[in-house]
Amino acid sequence: DTGVSQDPRHKITKRGQNVTFRCDPISEHNRLYWYRQTLGQGPEFLTYFQNEAQLEKSRLLSDRFSAERPKGSFSTLEIQRTEQGDSAMYLCASSRSGLPTDTQYFGPGTRLTVL
Amino acid sequence: AQTVTQSQPEMSVQEAETVTLSCTYDTSESDYYLFWYKQPPSRQMILVIRQEAYKQQNATENRFSVNFQKAAKSFSLKISDSQLGDAAMYFCAYRGFYNQGGKLIFGQGTELSVKP
Repeated sequence: DTGVSQDPRHKITKRGQNVTFRCDPISEHNRLYWYRQTLGQGPEFLTYFQNEAQLEKSRLLSDRFSAERPKGSFSTLEIQRTEQGDSAMYLCASSRSGLPTDTQYFGPGTRLTVL
Repeated sequence: AQTVTQSQPEMSVQEAETVTLSCTYDTSESDYYLFWYKQPPSRQMILVIRQEAYKQQNATENRFSVNFQKAAKSFSLKISDSQLGDAAMYFCAYRGFYNQGGKLIFGQGTELSVKP
């Protein structure tokens, strides 16, 4: 049972560029979550999918952010026209609905630095 | 809206001693789940322990136990016999029972250091 994986682990980009991150959840998990974590803070929810449907989006997810999960397996998070304020750790988590506590398992994160 | 507060940015404990990390939360819901997650330096977040609000018995997992006070909206984590490997950021998190999405609301974290 492999865990949640994320790629890349680190990304450095210049302001104004577009970036895309990938998350591969645990294989039998139908729910997938994206969180953002800035230095010294706890993770903040961005969005979540159940299978391929994006069911909730945070107000933190501006128009420059878009997430997809086309076949209900891996997910991508794209940030267009990056800003310095986008610098953060982007965490992905997955879980299986229907279980009593629906525990979320986290990936190692993608650290984004916008210069 | 639900909020989670961890008022101790940093804590320190001597190896083999016991330490308690504090967490308070605010919610109008009667049913929910509470979690403690551990995030070691440069490593991924892992679940330490979870508590269902409808259970009066405090959860325990080996050296980790919680003190859940529902009326006071308090959820502290006790680590017994602290080990060097316990050094990490610890996050308290809340999830509403009827929140179909299951999103977690995290506190700001407590950085725990363990002294040999």
